[in-house]
Amino acid sequence: ILNVEQSPQSLHVQEGDSTNFTCSFPSSNFYALHWYRWETAKSPEALFVMTLNGDEKKKGRISATLNTKEGYSYLYIKGSQPEDSATYLCAFFKPRGGSEKLVFGKGTKLTVNP
Amino acid sequence: SQTIHQWPATLVQPVGSPLSLECTVEGTSNPNLYWYRQAAGRGLQLLFYSVGIGQISSEVPQNLSASRPQDRQFILSSKKLLLSDSGFYLCAWMDASYTGELFFGEGSRLTVL
Repeated sequence: ILNVEQSPQSLHVQEGDSTNFTCSFPSSNFYALHWYRWETAKSPEALFVMTLNGDEKKKGRISATLNTKEGYSYLYIKGSQPEDSATYLCAFFKPRGGSEKLVFGKGTKLTVNP
Repeated sequence: SQTIHQWPATLVQPVGSPLSLECTVEGTSNPNLYWYRQAAGRGLQLLFYSVGIGQISSEVPQNLSASRPQDRQFILSSKKLLLSDSGFYLCAWMDASYTGELFFGEGSRLTVL
């Protein structure tokens, strides 16, 4: 069974704080790791697709790093704003000879208080 | 460009009633299609995926079924809903690249009473 674990499960921060959370995944047979931002009652929005060990990607105040050898990825948010409040999902890409699928973690729910 | 739509957006159904959620994709051909569900307090769980017309794979045993009658149409159904079927359902299609990026529909909120 392929497990993708995210921690913490939830997080409350004050506006302006910087924060980070973790995604751990199997380190063998790595293909890609995805980060999504998911607001309640909306579709998940793709943030990053990470494929190479040591990758670091950035989009505005949000960035992510990848360590495929030890099987973890960090998502960082610098200077959190209330509009950053959402659930952040990571997903491990598992190709299966045409039956490709993403296996999601349970997410980290971030609440940014004004 | 590719678009994906699912409907209805919100549904309130009594226990034992049938269900049909529909999803269509435009702007691509022969996509891999997926149904995910988020139940209360849980993560995003893959229910079904399809690599082609009439080809359905089920990930977990459940009270639901899926069908793909046309290349870009994916339907989630139940003959008799259970309380535990309540949740937020998402349809998605996968980009053909090897990185597996998923593009999601707007979601359907199902409440079974």
